[in-house]
Amino acid sequence: AQTIHQWPVAEIKAVGSPLSLGCTIKGKSSPNLYWYWQATGGTLQQLFYSITVGQVESVVQLNLSASRPKDDQFILSTEKLLLSHSGFYLCAWSLNWGDDTQYFGPGTRLLVL
Amino acid sequence: QQQVRQSPQSLTVWEGETAILNCSYEDSTFNYFPWYQQFPGEGPALLISISSVSDKKEDGRFTIFFNKREKKLSLHITDSQPGDSATYFCAASENTNTGKLTFGDGTVLTVKP
Repeated sequence: AQTIHQWPVAEIKAVGSPLSLGCTIKGKSSPNLYWYWQATGGTLQQLFYSITVGQVESVVQLNLSASRPKDDQFILSTEKLLLSHSGFYLCAWSLNWGDDTQYFGPGTRLLVL
Repeated sequence: QQQVRQSPQSLTVWEGETAILNCSYEDSTFNYFPWYQQFPGEGPALLISISSVSDKKEDGRFTIFFNKREKKLSLHITDSQPGDSATYFCAASENTNTGKLTFGDGTVLTVKP
């Protein structure tokens, strides 16, 4: 069975500080991976997607970047946090390219002060 | 222009009643519609999905009705239970090999015992 793990569970960071969030998928080789952002009480906005190691596509520009250093790992980062970065960050995976069923991780809660 | 719309924004039903959650979309290229259930502080979980070739999909107490001509869907939850209290998101896929899911704003369902 596939499992998805996100770290950290929660973060409180200062404006202007750097950030790195991680996501790991176990039990599935070469998954498609996605990063989403969700404002409190809001909808889900897809940020990035990746179909293979080293390849990441940006969906929206939020002064964030993403990388896929390993087949099972997806990293979201920024060098300088903004207040607007606060929210819930979700990693998701799907089985095959074009397979529209996506499965979400437990999320990371980020508060920027 | 919002691509996927959900109504009502919030819904309260009594235990045992049927909850009806509505979803509509703009883009006629959408052909896959998953519904996600999200509890506070957790990632969304896939509940049930339907493709545009079907007009109904049933899974236990959860049923999707799909009207392609009117670009509308509805999720029916029969015999609602307090444990069904959550936010429900309707999503739509363009199926253009981008892995992009467009989410509605969600419906907050409260089931009173």
